[in-house]
Amino acid sequence: DGGITQSPKYLFRKEGQNVTLSCEQNLNHDAMYWYRQDPGQGLRLIYYSQIVNDFQKGDIAEGYSVSREKKESFPLTVTSAQKNPTAFYLCASSTRTSSVDTQYFGPGTRLTVL
Amino acid sequence: GNSVTQMEGPVTLSEEAFLTINCTYTATGYPSLFWYVQYPGEGLQLLLKATKADDKGSNKGFEATYRKETTSFHLEKGSVQVSDSAVYFCALSLSSGGSYIPTFGRGTSLIVHP
Repeated sequence: DGGITQSPKYLFRKEGQNVTLSCEQNLNHDAMYWYRQDPGQGLRLIYYSQIVNDFQKGDIAEGYSVSREKKESFPLTVTSAQKNPTAFYLCASSTRTSSVDTQYFGPGTRLTVL
Repeated sequence: GNSVTQMEGPVTLSEEAFLTINCTYTATGYPSLFWYVQYPGEGLQLLLKATKADDKGSNKGFEATYRKETTSFHLEKGSVQVSDSAVYFCALSLSSGGSYIPTFGRGTSLIVHP
């Protein structure tokens, strides 16, 4: 079955540590996105990539980094510079052909800083 | 800039009640409009969409009509079930420099009691 996988589902990190969240898709989509979800705040865009080896900052990129070395993969690193990283992180992909494109979401990773 | 405003939740209903979740938007252009649903602990999934004025999107008994004159895309269902309990997100998508980055509302939580 085609879809998006995120791992791990739950992640715990000590303060001062970097941590990488995995996102893989087998939908052959060009575009991939990372969102952060906090209670009552909806989804906020962290980074997005429209094509391999290229990515752009979203609304809340500070303290995060990404790479897009392969079409299928778009890992997100939460660095120690991110002041309040505890949140639910969602990865998504789309075909990037028009505004009617649907976004397909992974199941999410819940990150907790101890 | 673009924005989406949804009614605040939670919306609490009894089974078989009529549901309306209001959504209005502001956009510098002619967007496509979407409703996504998020079940507890999961990612978002597309519920329905509409791409031009007066289009009606429908799925699983849910409907929403693209109203350009009132810049609205209200979600309705005639008879809700306990299994409809979830968070519902209204979103728009517009082209911006060749990219199609969606704008999401904050989400509306629906709780359906037996």
